Amino acid sequence: GDSVTQMEGPVTLSEEAFLTINCTYTATGYPSLFWYVQYPGEGLQLLLKATKADDKGSNKGFEATYRKETTSFHLEKGSVQVSDSAVYFCAGGVTGGGNKLTFGTGTQLKVEL
Amino acid sequence: GAVVSQHPSRVICKSGTSVKIECRSLDFQATTMFWYRQFPKQSLMLMATSNEGSKATYEQGVEKDKFLINHASLTLSTLTVTSAHPEDSSFYICSAQTGTSGDTQYFGPGTRLTVL
Repeated sequence: GDSVTQMEGPVTLSEEAFLTINCTYTATGYPSLFWYVQYPGEGLQLLLKATKADDKGSNKGFEATYRKETTSFHLEKGSVQVSDSAVYFCAGGVTGGGNKLTFGTGTQLKVEL
Repeated sequence: GAVVSQHPSRVICKSGTSVKIECRSLDFQATTMFWYRQFPKQSLMLMATSNEGSKATYEQGVEKDKFLINHASLTLSTLTVTSAHPEDSSFYICSAQTGTSGDTQYFGPGTRLTVL
C-alpha cells in the first residue's frame, strides 16, 4: 500500500538556520503531497501542497518540490524562526483511496535563539 | 476560509460514561469528514471516514459500536465514545473536505479526552 516516510526528529536548530525535513513516498500512482504543521496542543494546519510532478508548494517561507524521479517532497526553509517550532507532518493522498491521506510519523522541530 | 471547529477542546469523564465530540465546518460544506486519533508523539491514525447522510466507513481494527459517528448535515459530524475506558484517552482530531478541495483536508483543533 501507499506509505510516507519522513526523517525522525527531533531537529534542533538555531534561529536563522537553514531547514530541511526529508520526506519520501511510496505509491502505485502519483498522489498529491502535503505538508501539515501542528503547534503544541493544536490540530494540524495545511502548510503547503503539490498535486503533480515538478510542482512546488510554498507558504510562509517554506517550500517543497514534488520530485517524481526520487519520489520525494522535502520541506525547506532558508531561515527558521523560533515561532516555527512545531511538529511537521508529510502526507500523501492515497491512490484510489477515496481522498484519504497517509501521514508520515511527524518531525519535531525546535528552534532556539 | 475552510475553518473547522471542534467542541469540546478538552473533556474529562469517568470510566463507563459516553462522550460526544462535535466537528463543524464553519464556512464551507463538508461532503466528507474524517476522524483521527493521535497518541503522544505519534502520527495520526485514521479511525473512520464519513459522508453526509450515509454510514461511516471504519478502518480496520476500529470498533464501530464503540466509536459512533454521525454525519447528519454538511457542516456537522459527531463522534461518540461509548462506555469510555482509560485506554480511550487520546487526542481526537477531525478533518473535512469540500466537494472542490480534492484530497486536501482541513483539520479541526482537536479534542483532548481523558478518561479517569
